[in-house]
Amino acid sequence: GNSVTQMEGPVTLSEEAFLTINCTYTATGYPSLFWYVQYPGEGLQLLLKATKADDKGSNKGFEATYRKETTSFHLEKGSVQVSDSAVYFCALGGFQKLVFGTGTRLLVSP
Amino acid sequence: GAVVSQHPSRVICKSGTSVKIECRSLDFQATTMFWYRQFPKKSLMLMATSNEGSKATYEQGVEKDKFLINHASLTLSTLTVTSAHPEDSSFYICSARDVRATSETQYFGPGTRLLVL
Repeated sequence: GNSVTQMEGPVTLSEEAFLTINCTYTATGYPSLFWYVQYPGEGLQLLLKATKADDKGSNKGFEATYRKETTSFHLEKGSVQVSDSAVYFCALGGFQKLVFGTGTRLLVSP
Repeated sequence: GAVVSQHPSRVICKSGTSVKIECRSLDFQATTMFWYRQFPKKSLMLMATSNEGSKATYEQGVEKDKFLINHASLTLSTLTVTSAHPEDSSFYICSARDVRATSETQYFGPGTRLLVL
């Protein structure tokens, strides 16, 4: 079945550091891939998505490229801010359902 | 656009009572809504898929008689936790798909925190 594997957190960075959160997937067919972000006490917000191989999703300085050859969708940001502290979920879409990774907590200190 | 609301945001109830949680798509129509449960520091667990005008499809291991789902209109789905017990305490999140969507993008509500005493 479809599955998503994310790197374990927490990821602790200083402000302006470079961020990478790894995400790999297993899927049949050609699913869409998503990154969602969850701020403390809130629901999930769609951060970015890619619907086919080699697509790059980007939003708010974050980006991720759909790599079919490595079955990956790693999230990157060149310079993180304290306000980026949250839990990030990688997800895979198929057959109307989303399959989520376990989430990676990001902590950014000033 | 693509705003989903949930009500209430927090609820505390006594063991044995029932609690209803509403999920509304505010600026789009959703033939499909989803109900998730999130445990502390864990990922989201899909409980059921709610389709407007038909019975919900429950995931394996989810008690359909305990978690009643109704999707009476294109903008509203409700989850009723019946005879709630302390182990039902959790963060419940709904999401909705826009009827016009061409991908599996889901828009999430802010969640409802349920505490059963």
